[in-house]
Amino acid sequence: DSGVTQTPKHLITATGQRVTLRCSPRSGDLSVYWYQQSLDQGLQFLIQYYNGEERAKGNILERFSAQQFPDLHSELNLSSLELGDSALYFCASSPDREVAYEQYFGPGTRLTVT
Amino acid sequence: GEDVEQSLFLSVREGDSSVINCTYTDSSSTYLYWYKQEPGAGLQLLTYIFSNMDMKQDQRLTVLLNKKDKHLSLRIADTQTGDSAIYFCAESPYTGGGNKLTFGTGTQLKVEL
Repeated sequence: DSGVTQTPKHLITATGQRVTLRCSPRSGDLSVYWYQQSLDQGLQFLIQYYNGEERAKGNILERFSAQQFPDLHSELNLSSLELGDSALYFCASSPDREVAYEQYFGPGTRLTVT
Repeated sequence: GEDVEQSLFLSVREGDSSVINCTYTDSSSTYLYWYKQEPGAGLQLLTYIFSNMDMKQDQRLTVLLNKKDKHLSLRIADTQTGDSAIYFCAESPYTGGGNKLTFGTGTQLKVEL
């Protein structure tokens, strides 16, 4: 158990809908990262937040957005969902440093878009 | 740009050593990682190495880094059936604004009795 929690574990929704994935980092970790794992794209970095502020952005679609709240939990919002958005979404957190060496991953949220 | 490559499959017998290889392209990489993913589970950080190191050993795991060839390997000694999983190599090019991980495709390790 990495100490990173993600909810829900599974999510099934229809095309065009909007969903919110939630992540709670390890106690004391200020950085939260979101990754997408799909069969065709592999594991891809989406976005990073550090202490409430966006820190780095990867291959995140404009339909997707994220935020980190004062209690440090983070939410990833996916809207206008398409079949191709079906994937495993991982959250990771890293220790209380701006440049952190270890990222600890949550168990993931499996999103199925039908 | 960043690109990390791994072979897709490796099959070994229980008790043998496994060697999983990875090549990367980003010369500014500062940290290189190995993660393990078991079926239906998240990614477990196994070990990482700083780019000024050649080797790191942690119990049954040995990481070798050839910076000149941009080649990273993970050796698992006395491989057990519980080691069956997908192993991901990842790099982190320090940019001063975070350390996103770029992952390889993953190597599926199958341990046979």
